[in-house]
Amino acid sequence: KAGVTQTPRYLIKTRGQQVTLSCSPISGHRSVSWYQQTPGQGLQFLFEYFSETQRNKGNFPGRFSGRQFSNSRSEMNVSTLELGDSALYLCASSLAVGGASVSEAFFGQGTRLTVV
Amino acid sequence: GENVEQHPSTLSVQEGDSAVIKCTYSDSASNYFPWYKQELGKRPQLIIDIRSNVGEKKDQRIAVTLNKTAKHFSLHITETQPEDSAVYFCAASGNDKIIFGKGTRLHILP
Repeated sequence: KAGVTQTPRYLIKTRGQQVTLSCSPISGHRSVSWYQQTPGQGLQFLFEYFSETQRNKGNFPGRFSGRQFSNSRSEMNVSTLELGDSALYLCASSLAVGGASVSEAFFGQGTRLTVV
Repeated sequence: GENVEQHPSTLSVQEGDSAVIKCTYSDSASNYFPWYKQELGKRPQLIIDIRSNVGEKKDQRIAVTLNKTAKHFSLHITETQPEDSAVYFCAASGNDKIIFGKGTRLHILP
């Protein structure tokens, strides 16, 4: 079956602009999580969506937001971009039935965002 | 809040030697502990995982151990090979959350 798909793969934006990234999970997966990856900072958790509801949120400013659609596809939006937002943004999907332990997360290839 | 500490951040081992990466977690509700490998320019991929009802799990040259009392878990790679060079992430999950460590960059020296 198809893996996790993220679009676009690469993006260049200028400071102050906003950006929307997309993530299509593996068919049947209802949980989608987003991470920011920068050199030396590992995987910084942004938020997780399950059945169209934000279930968990990391410590990022309100400029970072997301949503999930009824088909489990998710989007992430960053407004008023700053230079420090340049990073690889990864999404991961998992079966994760609500209330149970999280199962294996499958990552997409990521979107590399460069803010100039 | 809950966190996962991962050590070391960088590890260099001679080819053929063993490598050990250690993680500690704080959330006692964690019951699933996956390890991911991320090669340069690629996505993280699961290499092994362990659930809280098991103390050790092996898959060829890779093993993971879990000490729930101490909230420690470790990744062991034996007979390391050049293709083991990558960044490794541990994670702890439970209560609908998964928290990743900051990663260990493993270098295999010729």
